[in-house]
Amino acid sequence: GDSVTQMEGPVTLSEEAFLTINCTYTATGYPSLFWYVQYPGEGLQLLLKATKADDKGSNKGFEATYRKETTSFHLEKGSVQVSDSAVYFCALSDLNTGNQFYFGTGTSLTVIP
Amino acid sequence: DTAVSQTPKYLVTQMGNDKSIKCEQNLGHDTMYWYKQDSKKFLKIMFSYNNKELIINETVPNRFSPKSPDKAHLNLHINSLELGDSAVYFCASTERGSNTGELFFGEGSRLTVL
Repeated sequence: GDSVTQMEGPVTLSEEAFLTINCTYTATGYPSLFWYVQYPGEGLQLLLKATKADDKGSNKGFEATYRKETTSFHLEKGSVQVSDSAVYFCALSDLNTGNQFYFGTGTSLTVIP
Repeated sequence: DTAVSQTPKYLVTQMGNDKSIKCEQNLGHDTMYWYKQDSKKFLKIMFSYNNKELIINETVPNRFSPKSPDKAHLNLHINSLELGDSAVYFCASTERGSNTGELFFGEGSRLTVL
C-alpha cells in the first residue's frame, strides 16, 4: 500500500544553517506530494506541493522536487530562521486510493539564534 | 473567515464521560476527515466522509462515532472516555477526485481526559 517515510527528528539547527528533511514514498499510482508545517499550538497548513514528476514546489524559501526515479520529495531551505521552528510533515495523495492522504511521522525542527 | 473551524478548542473532562467535537468547513469541499494527533505528533486518520457517506473507517474503538449531517459538517462523539483518548483531534477537508487538491485543517481540539 501507499506510505510515506520521513527523516526522524528532532532536528536542531543554528540560524542561517542549511536544512534538509528527507522524505521517500511508496505509491501504486501517480501521487501528488505535499509538505505541511505545524507551528506550535496550531493546525497543519500546506507549505508546498508538487503534482507530477520533476515538479518543484516552493514557498517561503523552502523547496522540494518530486523525484520519481528515487521516489523522494526532500525538503530544503538554504538559510533557516528562528521562525521556521515547527513540525514538518511529508504527505501524499493518491487518486488510486480515493484521494486518501498518507502522512509521514513528522520532523520537529528547532532553530536557535 | 475561518475555512475549517472546530469547537471546542480545549476540552478537559473525567474518565467515563461522553463528549462531542464539532467541525464545519465553508470551502464547499465534499470530503471531510477526523485525525488524531498523539503527544509525539504522529497523525492517525480516524474517519472520512464524502458527501455525508462514510468512506474511511480506520481501526478505531466503537466508542468513537462520527456523524455528518451535511457535507459541510462532520462531528465526532466519544463515549466512555478513557485516559488514552487524550490527544489533539484535527478536522480536515478536501475536494475528492482532485489529485492536486490539498487538505485544509482546522486548528485542532485538545482533549484531556483526567
